[in-house]
Amino acid sequence: KQEVTQIPAALSVPEGENLVLNCSFTDSAIYNLQWFRQDPGKGLTSLLLIQSSQREQTSGRLNASLDKSSGRSTLYIAASQPGDSATYLCAVNGANNLFFGTGTRLTVIP
Amino acid sequence: GAVVSQHPSWVICKSGTSVKIECRSLDFQATTMFWYRQFPKQSLMLMATSNEGSKATYEQGVEKDKFLINHASLTLSTLTVTSAHPEDSSFYICSALDRGEQPQHFGDGTRLSIL
Repeated sequence: KQEVTQIPAALSVPEGENLVLNCSFTDSAIYNLQWFRQDPGKGLTSLLLIQSSQREQTSGRLNASLDKSSGRSTLYIAASQPGDSATYLCAVNGANNLFFGTGTRLTVIP
Repeated sequence: GAVVSQHPSWVICKSGTSVKIECRSLDFQATTMFWYRQFPKQSLMLMATSNEGSKATYEQGVEKDKFLINHASLTLSTLTVTSAHPEDSSFYICSALDRGEQPQHFGDGTRLSIL
């Protein structure tokens, strides 16, 4: 069964810093990988989706990379802002089933 | 486009009550819908997958008689938590595939609190 791990579990950074969130998965036979943002008590906002054939995707200040062979993905956030504070979830898609990591809770300090 | 509406967003009820949560696709046909549960400080866990017009497929450890799922139309799936108890208190989130195509589109979730 696919297992998804996210490190670190929590991260606090001062505003303006660049940061990297990590995601690892045990089964490399995936269709795609998604990064989501979840605000407290809220649903999920999809940030980036990387197909298994792709190496990275970019959207604004966000860049996600995928190394399927090693079972790793990173989410890079440039010039962090207080509004980026949230929990970031990595989810791996194996044949319509999404397997979620436990998330990284990010706090950006003004 | 691809908006999923979930209702209610928050419900508090007494132990033993049955609670129904609705998940609607507003602007697309959702042939497949998914129901997830998230306990505090944990990640989302898939409970069941439902395809329109057929019975839901439940994940291991999820009681199908307790969590009734109905997907009778292409735009609506419901999850009924029967005889809810405090341990059923959780955040329930649905998602849907637009005509079977990835990615999944998520609702805003329902926070269920059983007293």
